[in-house]
Amino acid sequence: LAKTTQPISMDSYEGQEVNITCSHNNIATNDYITWYQQFPSQGPRFIIQGYKTKVTNEVASLFIPADRKSSTLSLPRVSLSDTAVYYCLVGGGSSNTGKLIFGQGTTLQVKP
Amino acid sequence: KAGVTQTPRYLIKTRGQQVTLSCSPISGHRSVSWYQQTPGQGLQFLFEYFSETQRNKGNFPGRFSGRQFSNSRSEMNVSTLELGDSALYLCASSSRTGAETGELFFGEGSRLTVL
Repeated sequence: LAKTTQPISMDSYEGQEVNITCSHNNIATNDYITWYQQFPSQGPRFIIQGYKTKVTNEVASLFIPADRKSSTLSLPRVSLSDTAVYYCLVGGGSSNTGKLIFGQGTTLQVKP
Repeated sequence: KAGVTQTPRYLIKTRGQQVTLSCSPISGHRSVSWYQQTPGQGLQFLFEYFSETQRNKGNFPGRFSGRQFSNSRSEMNVSTLELGDSALYLCASSSRTGAETGELFFGEGSRLTVL
């Protein structure tokens, strides 16, 4: 199972763009990269998923380089409500279906 | 489309007791996985069920068990509760493809406190 490494914490200010990078050196060919957001005492919420290059949705962008050994979640113009823990998750294929391992996550603190 | 429903949301038990938690997945999803979340250990995978079969299991003692019914609803049971079992128990629902790629939809969780 691919192991992920993320910064433990990050600080930002309202209105700034925030980039959180996740390292996954032993990602497998059929693994996807997924990011989740979690607020205290709530379940994680799916943000975005990608396999390669760039994916964008209404809340974030995900950049994946050609070697796929890392990925970067980009949050444009963050607000105070984006203060949360962000998890990078790597998984895929049928060998470990359903057994998805979350890393430590990155605690993002957005300041006014 | 209704989300993932977990019951109960909060419960308090004493050491030695047992507890059963319930999870109703999103309609049409046949995969249900369970996670334990504590401040010290983070999110830890317990087990995953698909079409009533347990496909994968995490590194938890046999006191932790689960099952899935034909309507995809799932229950997990913890017997002989210990203080260290106090945690937020999260259920995640997904399609067959989602379970493989990591597209999970979580419930709000069941907060268990063991005294």
